[in-house]
Amino acid sequence: GENVEQHPSTLSVQEGDSAVIKCTYSDSASNYFPWYKQELGKGPQLIIDIRSNVGEKKDQRIAVTLNKTAKHFSLHITETQPEDSAVYFCAASSLGGGSNYKLTFGKGTLLTVNP
Amino acid sequence: NAGVTQTPKFQVLKTGQSMTLQCAQDMNHNSMYWYRQDPGMGLRLIYYSASEGTTDKGEVPNGYNVSRLNKREFSLRLESAAPSQTSVYFCASSEVKGRAGRTFGSGTRLTVV
Repeated sequence: GENVEQHPSTLSVQEGDSAVIKCTYSDSASNYFPWYKQELGKGPQLIIDIRSNVGEKKDQRIAVTLNKTAKHFSLHITETQPEDSAVYFCAASSLGGGSNYKLTFGKGTLLTVNP
Repeated sequence: NAGVTQTPKFQVLKTGQSMTLQCAQDMNHNSMYWYRQDPGMGLRLIYYSASEGTTDKGEVPNGYNVSRLNKREFSLRLESAAPSQTSVYFCASSEVKGRAGRTFGSGTRLTVV
C-alpha cells in the first residue's frame, strides 16, 4: 500500500519568514495530494490540493509543488503569520477500485510562527 | 451550513463497555469516513462508506463496526472498548469518488480506562 513520509515533524519560524514542509510517497499510481491544517482542538481542514497533471498550484500565501519523478511534494507558506501556527498534514491517494477512498496521511508537522 | 457534526465531543468508557459515535453531514456528500488520530501516527482510516448502503474496511478496522444509516449519517460502534482504542476519532465526508478533499468533523476524544 501507499506510504507517506513527512518532514520535518516540528518547524519553528519567525513571523514573516517562509515555511516549507516536504512529503514523499511510495505508490507511483497516486494522483491526488491534499494538504490539511489542524488547529488545536479542531478537525483537519483542507487548505490546498494538487493533482498529478500539474506541477504547482498557488493560493495567496500558500503553494504546493509536485515532482512525480522523485515522488515528492511540498507545501510552501510565505509571509507566515501567527495564525498559521498549527499541525499540517500531507496525504496521497492511490488509484484502483476501492483504494480511491484510502487517503494515506503523513504523520504531521507542527508549525509554530513566533511573533 | 454545519458541515460534519460529531457527537459526543468527549467520552470516558470503562474497558468492556460499548458505545456508538454519531456523525452527520449536511453537504449531500456521497462518501463518508471514520478516522482515528493518535500522537505521532497521523490519521488512520478505520472504515469508510463509498455511498449509501455500502461500507468497507480501512487500515485499522478491528474492534469497530459501522452503519451507514442513510446518506447523511454514518455511525461507528465500539462493541467492547479496550484501552488501545483511546484516541481522537474524526468523521469526514467527500463528494466525488473519494478523490475530492475530505471535510472533517471536530472530533470525539475517547478515553478507555
